[in-house]
Amino acid sequence: EVQLEESGGGLVQPGGSLRLSCAASGFIFFNFAMSWFRQAPGKGLEWVSSISGSGGGTYYADSVKGRFTISRDKSKNTVFLQMNSLRAEDTAVYFCAKERVWGQGRLVTVSS
Amino acid sequence: DIQMTQSPSSLSASVGDRVTITCRASQGISTFLAWFQQKPGKAPKSLISAASSLQSGVPSKFSGSGSGTDFTLTISSLQPEDSATYYCQQYDSYPITFGQGTRLEIK
Repeated sequence: EVQLEESGGGLVQPGGSLRLSCAASGFIFFNFAMSWFRQAPGKGLEWVSSISGSGGGTYYADSVKGRFTISRDKSKNTVFLQMNSLRAEDTAVYFCAKERVWGQGRLVTVSS
Repeated sequence: DIQMTQSPSSLSASVGDRVTITCRASQGISTFLAWFQQKPGKAPKSLISAASSLQSGVPSKFSGSGSGTDFTLTISSLQPEDSATYYCQQYDSYPITFGQGTRLEIK
């Protein structure tokens, strides 16, 4: 069974940084692309970033390009989302996903 | 970017009814279309991928169809637990995009 467990997140001031982690199990990690999605309070779903199975390909939404970095560690079966220069509009629940299977999500709040 | 237009934005139906939600892509996406169900405070749950393939464990009351630009999700024999917001998602190309969601209320 695919399991995805996110960690990290919390409250950060505008301009600050946070790193989200997603520990994966139940499948051959390096065979699959991994993604991050988010959902702002009361809003719809938004794709944030994806990384190929090898880690050689990374993709970003325009709204986070240049500020967020996705990476993966195959030795730890973990995918990361490094978020820098955070803005109030980045406040959301962030979900890790393997294809159509999503983790439970972590809340990131950007506020002074 | 591929825009996904979902309709209706909300609907109300009775127990036992059948409802259909539609999703239109701004350009052809073959069958790279998924449907998700989301209940308040929970992560989205995938119901259907590849436009019509039911995910493991999802009841057969959910069905999907379509290809190219026009897609539908049909839910039959509505029960109170089907009350949720439903989203379509295209994964044909980046950026991955979603419809705006359909809020389903069971009367």
